[in-house]
Amino acid sequence: EPEVTQTPSHQVTQMGQEVILRCVPISNHLYFYWYRQILGQKVEFLVSFYNNEISEKSEIFDDQFSVERPDGSNFTLKIRSTKLEDSAMYFCAGQSSYNSPLHFGNGTRLTVT
Amino acid sequence: DAKTTQPNSMESNEEEPVHLPCNHSTISGTDYIHWYRQLPSQGPEYVIHGLTSNVNNRMASLAIAEDRKSSTLILHRATLRDAAVYYCILRGNNDMRFGAGTRLTVKP
Repeated sequence: EPEVTQTPSHQVTQMGQEVILRCVPISNHLYFYWYRQILGQKVEFLVSFYNNEISEKSEIFDDQFSVERPDGSNFTLKIRSTKLEDSAMYFCAGQSSYNSPLHFGNGTRLTVT
Repeated sequence: DAKTTQPNSMESNEEEPVHLPCNHSTISGTDYIHWYRQLPSQGPEYVIHGLTSNVNNRMASLAIAEDRKSSTLILHRATLRDAAVYYCILRGNNDMRFGAGTRLTVKP
């Protein structure tokens, strides 16, 4: 069964550095999402993306964050200047239609030192 | 998205049915009700979803109240592997926001 894949599984970076988290959704997915989960806390919505533009973003998704789907397959989340509090698991999800199930990747653990 | 409320935690015995409730009193007519779960150290995974009618799949059943202001996820025979945090989410606008969910503990 096709899966949503995320790379890398673990990323360590220094505060102030830029990071790019990558996601490869299932080929028929049209709607895309990024979530994050700080250790021990709930899953937080960051952003949704459809038709090559952001549909919705949360208050967490400030100017330091950006998303793009540069080649029609990869879906990326960029954090321009990481902060210690950006340390979390980041999950990508995709949907084939508006009300179909979300398929999640296994996440990228981002550690900012 | 309309808000959902779930109990913080529930316990079940292995091999017994589990009924996980969710209240969504401000649901709109076009909101789908989705359920996901997160096993320890894993990403969320889809369980089931529905609009008005009760739904069954290989993992669980979803019972939706007639007024749609509440729903119940039913695990027919809980196993140790079902220990997870279960999230009830309404799919309305362009986001799908998770609440705090219900932490299900399954006792052998």
